[in-house]
Amino acid sequence: EVQLVQSGAEVKKPGESLKISCKGSGYRFPNYWIAWVRQRPGKGLEWVGIIYPGDSDARYGPSFQGQVSISVDKSNTTAYLQWSSLKASDTAMYYCARHVVGIFGFDPWGQGTLVTVSS
Amino acid sequence: DIQMTQSPSSLSASVGDRVIITCQASQDISDYLNWYQQKPGKAPKLLIYDASNLQTGVPSRFSGSGSGTDFTFTISSLQPEDIGTYYCQQYDNRPSITFGQGTRLEI
Repeated sequence: EVQLVQSGAEVKKPGESLKISCKGSGYRFPNYWIAWVRQRPGKGLEWVGIIYPGDSDARYGPSFQGQVSISVDKSNTTAYLQWSSLKASDTAMYYCARHVVGIFGFDPWGQGTLVTVSS
Repeated sequence: DIQMTQSPSSLSASVGDRVIITCQASQDISDYLNWYQQKPGKAPKLLIYDASNLQTGVPSRFSGSGSGTDFTFTISSLQPEDIGTYYCQQYDNRPSITFGQGTRLEI
């Protein structure tokens, strides 16, 4: 079974750093793009960025360039989303999702990681 | 950047109704358009890919059409389990993607 399992909820203070994870299983990890998507409370889906584990090629959404970093550890079949200095506005649910070959839709999705940034 | 505009932003319908949601792209994206359903508290689920193709296991009451800049998502006969929010997603300049702002569907 193809599965993405994300790390647990986090509560952080403004200015702190954070790295959340998304572990893939049940498929050839290097061969599929993994996207990160933000959903603020009560709001819509926003594309954060995407990475190809095979060569670590990463791209970022316009609102997220320079704000976050996406990386991957192929040996552990895990993708990461990282912040160096969190803001209150980063409070959101973050999902990872694997692309479907040939159609560039995303399925499956991880269960989501809730990040809360508050002083 | 390609912008996606969905309408309406919310709608209320009755069981058995035909429901139509539209998505307009800011430029020609051919048929590079997917549709998702997100139920409350859950991750999104892919329903339609390449504008009109039903993902495996998705009920046939869901359908999509369109190409270029104008797209339509239809539920032929609304069921109670269809409540949630629906999003379009373009991938014309993949791997970069864009989501529409969502349509919240209530019964």
